[in-house]
Amino acid sequence: EVQLVESGGGLVQPGRSLRLSCVGSGFSFDDYAMYWVRQRPGKGLEWVAGISWNNNNIGYADSVKGRFTISRDNGKNSLYLQMNSLRAEDMALYYCAKGRGGGYYFYMDVWGKGTTVTVSS
Amino acid sequence: EIVLTQSPAILSLSPGERATLSCRASQSVASSYLAWYQQKPGQAPRLLIYGFSTRATGVPNRFSGSGSGTDFTLTINGLEPEDFAVYFCQQYGSSPFTFGPGTKVDIK
Repeated sequence: EVQLVESGGGLVQPGRSLRLSCVGSGFSFDDYAMYWVRQRPGKGLEWVAGISWNNNNIGYADSVKGRFTISRDNGKNSLYLQMNSLRAEDMALYYCAKGRGGGYYFYMDVWGKGTTVTVSS
Repeated sequence: EIVLTQSPAILSLSPGERATLSCRASQSVASSYLAWYQQKPGQAPRLLIYGFSTRATGVPNRFSGSGSGTDFTLTINGLEPEDFAVYFCQQYGSSPFTFGPGTKVDIK
């Protein structure tokens, strides 16, 4: 079974950092692009960042560019999101999602259950 | 950045009726890279349609996608009780990828 499991969420003060992780199983992780998508409480979906299978293509939403860094370790079947200078508006449920192919421009065919980030003093 | 607008925000229908959901882009979506997702309360989104009209694996054929350029439509023919949910369109043809604000299909 194809599965994505996120971790690393929690309560953090404004201005601090947090690192999210996502472990994939049931598929060849290094063959696929991966993404982070977030959802603020009661709101819609917001694409946060994406990375191709070989790191050649990486992109960010304007709202997080310069503060967040997406990365992957194919040897560990893992995707990461380093979040720095966190703001109240970054508070959300963060989903990890798998792209349908290895390049960058793909839809998301498998989603994790998400990990919650709370930003508050 | 491509901005996606979805209408209506809320669609109140009865089981068995047809739902027509619209997604409009601020500029042409490259290669018609437009997807639709369904989300139910407390659940992660589920892929329904990709490439504007191709159903994902396991998606019933009452769901269909159409459109091109800047105007796309998701149609649900004969709403089933499990179809009442929120639907999001997403473009993945240019970075940053973007989602529409969603259409909630609820029971009339």
